[in-house]
Amino acid sequence: RKEVEQDPGPFNVPEGATVAFNCTYSNSASQSFFWYRQDCRKEPKLLMSVYSSGNEDGRFTAQLNRASQYISLLIRDSKLSDSATYLCVVNQIKAAGNKLTFGGGTRVLVKP
Amino acid sequence: DAGVTQSPTHLIKTRGQHVTLRCSPISGHKSVSWYQQVLGQGPQFIFQYYEKEERGRGNFPDRFSARQFPNYSSELNVNALLLGDSALYLCASSRRSGGDTEAFFGQGTRLTVV
Repeated sequence: RKEVEQDPGPFNVPEGATVAFNCTYSNSASQSFFWYRQDCRKEPKLLMSVYSSGNEDGRFTAQLNRASQYISLLIRDSKLSDSATYLCVVNQIKAAGNKLTFGGGTRVLVKP
Repeated sequence: DAGVTQSPTHLIKTRGQHVTLRCSPISGHKSVSWYQQVLGQGPQFIFQYYEKEERGRGNFPDRFSARQFPNYSSELNVNALLLGDSALYLCASSRRSGGDTEAFFGQGTRLTVV
């Protein structure tokens, strides 16, 4: 089983609609979580950190469910520019350093 | 402020050759990590360096090595290149070492092995 799993999609979303997708992780020792966005042939860019209480940044809402070991991302009022691959990232806090473990990504296509 | 810079941006090498990729972190960041991203997959962790010391190593063969310099820049070296090493190599910069630290990526080096 992969450490971090995501539905690869694509999620075809009408402009203005809401889309949500999850990411599951296998290591219960994981303690920090992030969503990154990656455009085609570009580098991943940090979208938001995911906090235990859940957090919101504009149209984006991230949630963490430790009991079921998943995080989610919800995008409201989707824009054409939201089309991208969204990477779920899990990090184990170790004294020595930080190793980001990425999921395979969920592709989102927003259409007019 | 400049972001994470990587060089070269593109590279074509022949099987069996050696390659060196370079990364300069964001000013003030002391941690550099390297990732390999094969087409259609998420990035895979290769190495992390902090204060010039190796702090983590992923599941990659010994053909892969890296180092960090006193100015916190870093090099990734790959020997005896295989076709399967063709990928986007990403460098990530963090202010410090630690699991809650946000990482920022460079634009990557796209390596093609023929």
